[in-house]
Amino acid sequence: SQQGEEDPQALSIQEGENATMNCSYKTSINNLQWYRQNSGRGLVHLILIRSNEREKHSGRLRVTLDTSKKSSSLLITASRAADTASYFCATDAQIKAAGNKLTFGGGTRVLVKP
Amino acid sequence: DTGVSQDPRHKITKRGQNVTFRCDPISEHNRLYWYRQTLGQGPEFLTYFQNEAQLEKSRLLSDRFSAERPKGSFSTLEIQRTEQGDSAMYLCASSLALGRGEQFFGPGTRLTVL
Repeated sequence: SQQGEEDPQALSIQEGENATMNCSYKTSINNLQWYRQNSGRGLVHLILIRSNEREKHSGRLRVTLDTSKKSSSLLITASRAADTASYFCATDAQIKAAGNKLTFGGGTRVLVKP
Repeated sequence: DTGVSQDPRHKITKRGQNVTFRCDPISEHNRLYWYRQTLGQGPEFLTYFQNEAQLEKSRLLSDRFSAERPKGSFSTLEIQRTEQGDSAMYLCASSLALGRGEQFFGPGTRLTVL
């Protein structure tokens, strides 16, 4: 079963605009991770945020985490056509130490138009 | 290229046939995971290994599915008596047991059962 719900399911923006997507989850977590997947390909790890962190940056990516609301957001700034992909959040549940199975959301499909 | 390889990349088979997929993780990674992804959905966890020990299996993994990691390096996933509902992308990932928890995914094996 999928733990996370992602919102929106699809997003279409112009190159240069920012893209924001949200993820909600259900259980306590060790960490939350965001992955990108180009059509028909494997997943690429983007960023990991631990449960005791509130915000993380990596290049044009900004991730926030609100454990009280069990939600996270991913912001891609100054989007490029190459950012066109599906984006998934995934949670590492707080059952044992980090490194357990990941539970993925349904993904947000992002289209960046040139 | 994440360093995780999967073989074959595509497999077309007839219903009732057996298929076997192989995954080679990043060499120093002692954890190896299998996920299944159907079109438009996020990946769903199937099973994972630490070294050669299979630590967890999903209820999705019916009796027709078996996974092995005999020497703690590569892994195989076998599906016996394939059904049309087995058609999906099968993804392998690896990680360090004492790492932060990020997983590195292979390109996947796309299975089509006719």
